[in-house]
Parts: sequence; structure tokens; C-alpha cells
Amino acid sequence: GAGVSQTPSNKVTEKGKYVELRCDPISGHTALYWYRQSLGQGPEFLIYFQGTGAADDSGLPNDRFFAVRPEGSVSTLKIQRTERGDSAVYLCASSLGTSGGPDTQYFGPGTRLTVL
Amino acid sequence: SQQGEEDPQALSIQEGENATMNCSYKTSINNLQWYRQNSGRGLVHLILIRSNEREKHSGRLRVTLDTSKKSSSLLITASRAADTASYFCATQNWGATNKLIFGTGTLLAVQP
Repeated sequence: GAGVSQTPSNKVTEKGKYVELRCDPISGHTALYWYRQSLGQGPEFLIYFQGTGAADDSGLPNDRFFAVRPEGSVSTLKIQRTERGDSAVYLCASSLGTSGGPDTQYFGPGTRLTVL
Repeated sequence: SQQGEEDPQALSIQEGENATMNCSYKTSINNLQWYRQNSGRGLVHLILIRSNEREKHSGRLRVTLDTSKKSSSLLITASRAADTASYFCATQNWGATNKLIFGTGTLLAVQP
């Protein structure tokens, strides 16, 4: 079946611009996660949705970052006033959302964001 | 922030040899997972070991977990060129949240 998809695959923008990154989770997965991966590092958690609500947004670095999942499926990560330090690969993952136990996360291919 | 570190940072071996990677973490966990990442297939889940388990096998993979030392190891036996990738450990403590906290990764190169 279809996996997690992310669009665009690459995004180049200028410092100060606004960007939106989209994630389509696996059908039926209630949990959705955003991570950010800088070159040579492991992914870092940003935000986790259970259904439509953000269950944990402790990883968002500042108020320029915001994410929504209005219908409990597709999610959009929004970055305002982009900075060069925001350049990274943004990864989305989804899972069944099983509570109280291991819940394998399936990752998308990522969006490579470059801020010039 | 990263949970911990993995070592070595990079490892180069010949096809057919075994590869061992180590991971250390900082906080209490419910489980520890290993992921592989290469440019062709992105980040792929390999194996999960629960905090009450000490060893787990899956095909050519063997994972150990020592919660007293807050460390884990991943052994890949009889390596193949296709095993060339970055390997990450990730911990989960689903009491509070299902988020994964990743280590810094080991870059494995298997020479044919």
C-alpha cells in the first residue's frame, strides 16, 4: 500500500519568506509526527498529533514554527520568516496511534528545505 | 535534542564481515528501536527491543539492551554491500508521548 508521502521533495526559499511543507500519512494512521534532521545528525522531534490535536509540541524550536492537521489526516508544517538555520530535511512519520505500547512509526522521504 | 550518542561515528568493513554499532541514551525508556537510513529508501524501522528484554534477533540482526548501563548494541552478521547506510537508535517512553528520540547515528560502509 501507499506509504507516507511528503511534498515538495525539495524547497529553496529566501531568508524571511514563509514556507509550507505537506505530509500525507498512511491511511488509517491516527498519529502523525514531524521531525527535523540536520546534516550529519539524527532526526529531532518537533511535534506529534493524535487525530486533529497536537498531543506534544515540545520540540518546536520557536513561535515561527506551527503545524496543523485539521481533519486528522494531512498535516502542514508552516515556517514563518525563515532563517538560514532552518535549512534541514523535514521528516514526517505516521503510526496507528496505539496507546500504552510500542507503535511503529513509518517515515516519509522528507522535504529538503534550503534557506538562502 | 539528541538522546545520546552512537559509536563508532563511521565504520567501514568488507562484505561478509560482521558490523557492531553501539548506542547510549540518557533517560528512562519503554523501548529502544533501530532505524536504517539511506538515500534510496529513507528512514526504515529495523527492530524494536522492550525495556524488559535483554536480547532480540531478526534475520541477520541482533540487538542487545542493558538498561543499567543505558546502552544498546546492534550487530549485523554476514554484511552485504546493500547494508551500506546510516544506522540510528531511537528511544521511546510512551508514558508521556510517543515521540522518538534519536541518537547521532553510525555511518556503515560495506565494501564489496
